[in-house]
Amino acid sequence: AQTVTQSQPEMSVQEAETVTLSCTYDTSENNYYLFWYKQPPSRQMILVIRQEAYKQQNATENRFSVNFQKAAKSFSLKISDSQLGDTAMYFCAFMKLGAGNQFYFGTGTSLTVIP
Amino acid sequence: DAGVTQSPTHLIKTRGQHVTLRCSPISGHKSVSWYQQVLGQGPQFIFQYYEKEERGRGNFPDRFSARQFPNYSSELNVNALLLGDSALYLCASSPGQGIYGYTFGSGTRLTVV
Repeated sequence: AQTVTQSQPEMSVQEAETVTLSCTYDTSENNYYLFWYKQPPSRQMILVIRQEAYKQQNATENRFSVNFQKAAKSFSLKISDSQLGDTAMYFCAFMKLGAGNQFYFGTGTSLTVIP
Repeated sequence: DAGVTQSPTHLIKTRGQHVTLRCSPISGHKSVSWYQQVLGQGPQFIFQYYEKEERGRGNFPDRFSARQFPNYSSELNVNALLLGDSALYLCASSPGQGIYGYTFGSGTRLTVV
């Protein structure tokens, strides 16, 4: 079974500062994908960034980057130059190929950006 | 382009009743997945449909069923509602099988009383 653990239920960061959200996962699979989604109060899950497990290079999307450590099964999200609009719930998700390509989500980290 | 649309946005049902939730994927998206998000938790996978066929089913009782129509829209049905079925139900769509990520709708908030 796949499990995803987010050990930080809540975090806060000053506007314009950098924050890192942690995520670890457990799997016996070798080929999989990892995602970070944000869920603002509007409830819609929004894709932040995606990483293929077979790629060693860490994914980046503008102010968002990941630190993917496959051997350690760690997938942290770094948000640089934090903005007020980054305030949201952040979910780490694991996708194993096959059987519906389902996401396994962590329990989320509530991030608050302080003006 | 419209995003993933779900209806209704909110509803309240009584225990034992039946409910149907609807989802319209983004135009051109052939894959639809359903997730249940209980308050304070991450979403849990219920079903995935691709090209109108069920491709995956999560660990939910048979009271939960779904289908995908020729226009790729989808319905999630829940029979004999329990208080524990109260949750946000999220629909997500993808052009293919989702390895590039899914686009989610804003969900249907179901309250069972």
